[in-house]
Amino acid sequence: DAGVTQGPTHLIKARGQHVTLRCSPISGHKSVSWYQQVLGQGPQFIFQYYEKEERGRGNFPDRFSARQFPNYSSELNVNALLLGDSALYLCASSEYSNQPQHFGDGTRLSIL
Amino acid sequence: AQKVTQAQTEISVVEKEDVTLDCVYETRDTTYYLFWYKQPPSGELVFLIRRNSFDEQNEISGRYSWNFQKSTSSFNFTITASQVVDSAVYFCALSEPSGSARQLTFGSGTQLTVLP
Repeated sequence: DAGVTQGPTHLIKARGQHVTLRCSPISGHKSVSWYQQVLGQGPQFIFQYYEKEERGRGNFPDRFSARQFPNYSSELNVNALLLGDSALYLCASSEYSNQPQHFGDGTRLSIL
Repeated sequence: AQKVTQAQTEISVVEKEDVTLDCVYETRDTTYYLFWYKQPPSGELVFLIRRNSFDEQNEISGRYSWNFQKSTSSFNFTITASQVVDSAVYFCALSEPSGSARQLTFGSGTQLTVLP
């Protein structure tokens, strides 16, 4: 079975631009979460979606937004990119929101 | 607020040595889950174990074992007879099972290097 897939693998953007990251959960998983991992640190929670509804949001500015589609895939959008947004963005899925989360390989975002 | 502390930033051992990774957590909840994840250089976080706060039994899975002590708020991870392939960053994480979001709060990770 395919694991969590994320795209693209690596992105380079300029300050002020906008970016969209994509995630496909494991088949049958209805919950998707997004995390930001800055180099040398543990992942920080951004959003959790379950059955297309936002269930939680971490301490991130409104420049960060997300949504989940009927097929349970998800997009993370970041507007007005800052240098500090450079990080590995991880997507995780689980069958239900209280089950262990399984992570994708991540999208490495570099802001110039 | 939840907090996870992994005081060991880096550990280096020689192959076949045993190594213990420490994890201390803080939470106001009486019901919670604890996790360990492995992150190899490829970046993917690999799920290793989940423990419920009501289950303090130690667990062994092959060369891996976990010691959960609620009295000291610790959830330590031991690798027996370490191998080079165990080299990775290991994260301990905490999750509240109640509430609308089951977010994971991660520690800062321990970089384990196993030398041949």
